[in-house]
Amino acid sequence: KQEVTQIPAALSVPEGENLVLNCSFTDSAIYNLQWFRQDPGKGLTSLLLIQSSQREQTSGRLNASLDKSSGRSTLYIAASQPGDSATYLCAVSGSARQLTFGSGTQLTVLP
Amino acid sequence: NAGVTQTPKFQVLKTGQSMTLQCAQDMNHNSMYWYRQDPGMGLRLIYYSASEGTTDKGEVPNGYNVSRLNKREFSLRLESAAPSQTSVYFCASSAGQLYNSPLHFGNGTRLTVT
Repeated sequence: KQEVTQIPAALSVPEGENLVLNCSFTDSAIYNLQWFRQDPGKGLTSLLLIQSSQREQTSGRLNASLDKSSGRSTLYIAASQPGDSATYLCAVSGSARQLTFGSGTQLTVLP
Repeated sequence: NAGVTQTPKFQVLKTGQSMTLQCAQDMNHNSMYWYRQDPGMGLRLIYYSASEGTTDKGEVPNGYNVSRLNKREFSLRLESAAPSQTSVYFCASSAGQLYNSPLHFGNGTRLTVT
């Protein structure tokens, strides 16, 4: 069974800092990996989707990388802002045709 | 552009009562999903519909039923609510085949069963 782990569970950084969020998964036979953000009391917003054949995807200040062989993905946020404060979740789609979510990293960007 | 709309936003039920959670999307998406989110358990799939007219069980289907009424609407029914069903329920949709495109989520229904 696929397991997805996100460490750390919480992270606090000063505004302007570049930061990396980590996601690891146990079964490398994946179709794709998605990164989401969730604001308090809201649903999830899709940030980036990386297909298994890709190594990275970029959107604005966000860059997500994927290393299938090692079972890892990272989400890089450049020049962080207070508005980036949210919980970030990664999710992996694999052979079971389900999307397995990590528990998320709660990010706080301090002004 | 409304995206994925869920109703109601909040609901309190007594054990044994029934209710239907409504979900509609206006993006002409093929696939729709129901998840529940619980502290420490993450997001778990209850049911999904890969296309209009089809539904399948997810990871935690017991105690729930679904209906894919048409391409836009996918409802979740609790026939006899139990305290263990206290949770936040999210509906989601995606354009293509299962999980091949980004998921779009509604804002959730916060359900408490007493």
